[in-house]
Amino acid sequence: QKEVEQNSGPLSVPEGAIASLNCTYSDRVSQSFFWYRQYSGKSPELIMSIYSNGDKEDGRFTAQLNKASQYVSLLIRDSQPSDSATYLCAVEKAAGNKLTFGGGTRVLVKP
Amino acid sequence: GAVVSQHPSRVICKSGTSVKIECRSLDFQATTMFWYRQFPKKSLMLMATSNEGSKATYEQGVEKDKFLINHASLTLSTLTVTSAHPEDSSFYICSASSRGPSYNEQFFGPGTRLTVL
Repeated sequence: QKEVEQNSGPLSVPEGAIASLNCTYSDRVSQSFFWYRQYSGKSPELIMSIYSNGDKEDGRFTAQLNKASQYVSLLIRDSQPSDSATYLCAVEKAAGNKLTFGGGTRVLVKP
Repeated sequence: GAVVSQHPSRVICKSGTSVKIECRSLDFQATTMFWYRQFPKKSLMLMATSNEGSKATYEQGVEKDKFLINHASLTLSTLTVTSAHPEDSSFYICSASSRGPSYNEQFFGPGTRLTVL
């Protein structure tokens, strides 16, 4: 079992729709969770960080964390073609500051 | 926001040469920097964790004598790929950690694309 798992996609959504991305992790002591967006040929860009159970909203993005289920998700509302990218879920364990990345979900927003 | 730069952005070298990549945090002090490698269509793989003023911690399978890391100041870490070979061709990305009492975020540099001929 991989430490951080994501569906590789591609997740195809029409423009204006909601894109829903999921991520599960195996280590129960994980404390911090991040979503990064990576365009092809570019480095990852931090979109959201979430540290406690529940929802966290930032603009069109909402991160949801459920530590009991070891599950973190990202919703993208009003999806735009510019949201087409690979979204990486990253998890930090209790100590050490290191992030473990999932394989990424490729999102395609079609006009 | 936090800005991390990398230099060079792209390098092509001959097999057997050494290549140095610089990573700088421009607007904050980073006690910890990380070096990742990413092959095409793959996710990021952590190579090493670099702490200012101390030796880097390498991940399993990463040769410390081949990938030399120096973190001389709170804003600069360097990765030197020694005696590079074609299989070292990859996208190398650094990140710098900004840590507070209630948060820990990593900000990535733009990456360095290394091609070894």
